[in-house]
Amino acid sequence: DAGVTQSPTHLIKTRGQQVTLRCSPKSGHDTVSWYQQALGQGPQFIFQYYEEEERQRGNFPDRFSGHQFPNYSSELNVNALLLGDSALYLCASRWQWGGYTFGSGTRLTVV
Amino acid sequence: KQEVTQIPAALSVPEGENLVLNCSFTDSAIYNLQWFRQDPGKGLTSLLLIQSSQREQTSGRLNASLDKSSGRSTLYIAASQPGDSATYLCAKDNDMRFGAGTRLTVKP
Repeated sequence: DAGVTQSPTHLIKTRGQQVTLRCSPKSGHDTVSWYQQALGQGPQFIFQYYEEEERQRGNFPDRFSGHQFPNYSSELNVNALLLGDSALYLCASRWQWGGYTFGSGTRLTVV
Repeated sequence: KQEVTQIPAALSVPEGENLVLNCSFTDSAIYNLQWFRQDPGKGLTSLLLIQSSQREQTSGRLNASLDKSSGRSTLYIAASQPGDSATYLCAKDNDMRFGAGTRLTVKP
């Protein structure tokens, strides 16, 4: 049983560009959350999707947007990339009020 | 602002010691609480989930307890091993906010 799958694993982008990160939740999970983790810090909550709608949002600017598809997979889009957006981006999924399962993350470097 | 505090920030112990990691929340409203470990540059691995009706969970050498009235959780690791070296993080799932974690080093 595959867990949470994220792609790509690594990405290098130039300041000002746009990026799309992808997440396939664990089988049977319907809720997807996205996190940004800077080096040496805990994960920061970006937003959560359930039934294709954004259910909760953390303190991130509108440059960060997302989408959930009918098969529960999700995308995170970041526009107008800044150097400070360089981080490990983590996706987590769960079913209803069960525990979260995390993917291995996408390492984004903005140069 | 809801905050998560994990104490200590870092801990270094010799192999075989029992140890306690602490997690507290400014907002004591808690549904489920989950403990994770994270190896450098990797994703988070779930260790224990304490559901809203429970007070503790055990898995092998790990035991986590939850005191909702005080907004605190404790992770107990028995007979620590070098393979336990990692960063340990807690989060409560009504808002899934994390603390900065406790960086544990277990020396052989």
